[in-house]
Amino acid sequence: QMQLVQSGAEVKKPGASVKVSCKASGYTFMSYYIYWVRQAPGQGLEWMGMINPSSGRTTYAQKFQGRVTMTRDTSTSTVYMELSSLTSDDTAVYYCAREKGVGFSESDAFDIWGQGTMVTVSS
Amino acid sequence: DIVMTQSPDSLAVSPGERATINCKSSQSVLYSSNDKNYLAWYQQKPGQPPNLLIYWASTRESGVPDRFSGSGSGTDFTLTISSLQAEDVGTYYCQQYYTTPPTFGQGTKLEIK
Repeated sequence: QMQLVQSGAEVKKPGASVKVSCKASGYTFMSYYIYWVRQAPGQGLEWMGMINPSSGRTTYAQKFQGRVTMTRDTSTSTVYMELSSLTSDDTAVYYCAREKGVGFSESDAFDIWGQGTMVTVSS
Repeated sequence: DIVMTQSPDSLAVSPGERATINCKSSQSVLYSSNDKNYLAWYQQKPGQPPNLLIYWASTRESGVPDRFSGSGSGTDFTLTISSLQAEDVGTYYCQQYYTTPPTFGQGTKLEIK
């Protein structure tokens, strides 16, 4: 079945970096955008950015510019999100999600989500 | 950025009754050239990722029960659960995907009365 499987929980110190993986299966990896969305404890959903797995082109939320890097490995159908200079405000569950529409011509809703990766930033 | 505002923030409904959640966008999410509203609804249960219910404002995702329906156009949208079931408890989010960045409402927590 179509799914996104994320890496496990992380605990990091302030100032460190974290890299979360998201492995796709059950569909054509290169044909759908992957987005990253985070959710702080008890809070709502915040878009961080997106990657085109075919070209590797990325678009980042202004809030995270300079601090986030999204990459992909087409040989393993995996996308990565690395966030640097962590603070306690970055403590959140990080989700990857697939955009529903095939191809990259029109934006669409997010139909497949990873299970989430809890990142805790604490000294 | 387009701001999405949901109402109410929380809602308690008796089993079998109708639940209605509203969502308002700060600008229209209707694309006139194709007459589509770039608006989705998600349900999130504790400890789980969001689950897509409705897209294009009124199209039900495959496998979603038909008691869930979406309506509205332009800037005002509604998610309706026609007959609330116990398993419908959770937090509901609207999202616009008309422009980048895609933005979400603050969420509406739905409980059983």
